[in-house]
Amino acid sequence: QVTLKESGPVVVKPTETLTLTCTVSGFSLRNAGTGVSWIRQPPGKSLVWLAHIFSNGEKSYRKSLRSRLTISKETSKSQVALTMTNVDPADTGTYYCAHIAVLSGIPQNYLDSWGQGILVTVSS
Amino acid sequence: SYVLTQPPSVSVAPGQTARISCGGDNIGSKTVYWYQQKPGQAPVVVIYDDTSRPSGIPDRFSGSFSGNMATLTIRRVEAGDEADYYCQVWDTGDDPWVFGGGTKLTVL
Repeated sequence: QVTLKESGPVVVKPTETLTLTCTVSGFSLRNAGTGVSWIRQPPGKSLVWLAHIFSNGEKSYRKSLRSRLTISKETSKSQVALTMTNVDPADTGTYYCAHIAVLSGIPQNYLDSWGQGILVTVSS
Repeated sequence: SYVLTQPPSVSVAPGQTARISCGGDNIGSKTVYWYQQKPGQAPVVVIYDDTSRPSGIPDRFSGSFSGNMATLTIRRVEAGDEADYYCQVWDTGDDPWVFGGGTKLTVL
């Protein structure tokens, strides 16, 4: 059974750096085609993709946030981290990590398992 | 970047059929996915690859295309179907994972 769980600070001050960790189980981050995405949802709003990383190390970032985001993985710990620098109140929202569906070692273009999410508030 | 448009809300009586649309430029050339998000919960995929249902999703849920619109259809709507529904596609532009604005389904 695939599970993901987000952890990190729930309150961050403006201009600080936010680091979130996604701890996964039920799959290995070294499996071919395996990938994890980070998605943000501002309160009352829609889902916004932030970044993804695959087992082969391929990474991609949301264009508008590229300069502020870093995604990384620690395979031995089954963790994927997302770092966001210089946070702003507009970064307030629930942050989800999600497993990218994979079929026969080929990543599919949807998210088949999601963590419970972590609500992060940016406030002084 | 690519934009998906959904109606903000759809209301339907129990037992009736709900149809939630998702529009985008030349959306017929893309593969559409649908997620259900109940209050306080994470999204769950209910339709993948345009028309396929994951195991555990009732066959009351179906996906289809018509013209330049993708549609999620929920037949015999139940109170437990009340949720926000999001469509999603993969785009080859700058931001590959694109979500629609979401549709709140209210069961009257």
